[in-house]
Amino acid sequence: AQSVTQPDIHITVSEGASLELRCNYSYGATPYLFWYVQSPGQGLQLLLKYFSGDTLVQGIKGFEAEFKRSQSSFNLRKPSVHWSDAAEYFCAVGIFFGNEKLTFGTGTRLTIIP
Amino acid sequence: EAGVVQSPRYKIIEKKQPVAFWCNPISGHNTLYWYLQNLGQGPELLIRYENEEAVDDSQLPKDRFSAERLKGVDSTLKIQPAELGDSAVYLCASSLGEGAIYEQYFGPGTRLTVT
Repeated sequence: AQSVTQPDIHITVSEGASLELRCNYSYGATPYLFWYVQSPGQGLQLLLKYFSGDTLVQGIKGFEAEFKRSQSSFNLRKPSVHWSDAAEYFCAVGIFFGNEKLTFGTGTRLTIIP
Repeated sequence: EAGVVQSPRYKIIEKKQPVAFWCNPISGHNTLYWYLQNLGQGPELLIRYENEEAVDDSQLPKDRFSAERLKGVDSTLKIQPAELGDSAVYLCASSLGEGAIYEQYFGPGTRLTVT
């Protein structure tokens, strides 16, 4: 069965600084990989996804993520964070066929300080 | 286009009472999901519908939880009786089709507090 690990429970970053959120997955084949963001009181919104091809994926709100097969990682990055980026971020993995569901990590809460 | 609608947004009940949550997916989305999100955790799938058929309910605690999706559109998730441990956020999501390739659109969730 697939699994996702987000090792950072909480990260604090200054506004304007760069950001990297870590995600490691466990799955025997190439998975589908996703990053979602959840603002307080809101549902999850898809930031970006990786299915195949170029390992550097661009998403909404200036986010990008890089798939590294050798490290089983799919880290999320943003070169300069804004106060509005404060939220909970979830990495998720899905598989191609069979068990058609997403498995989410436990999330990383991002705090932005002035 | 309207997103996924859920109601109520908040619900407080006493233990052993029944409770129901309602979800209206995005128009045209055949696949509907109910997720449970405990505090500090990621969402966990409870049940997935393809049209009106529940195709994956392996994680649904069937002794107290039930769900239905009549006519393949709206869905209701019920808990009877509720326990203290059921306090969580219940998320509904929908997608055009089954499979991870289809983006899931999430509603705002229903926050349940059982006292």
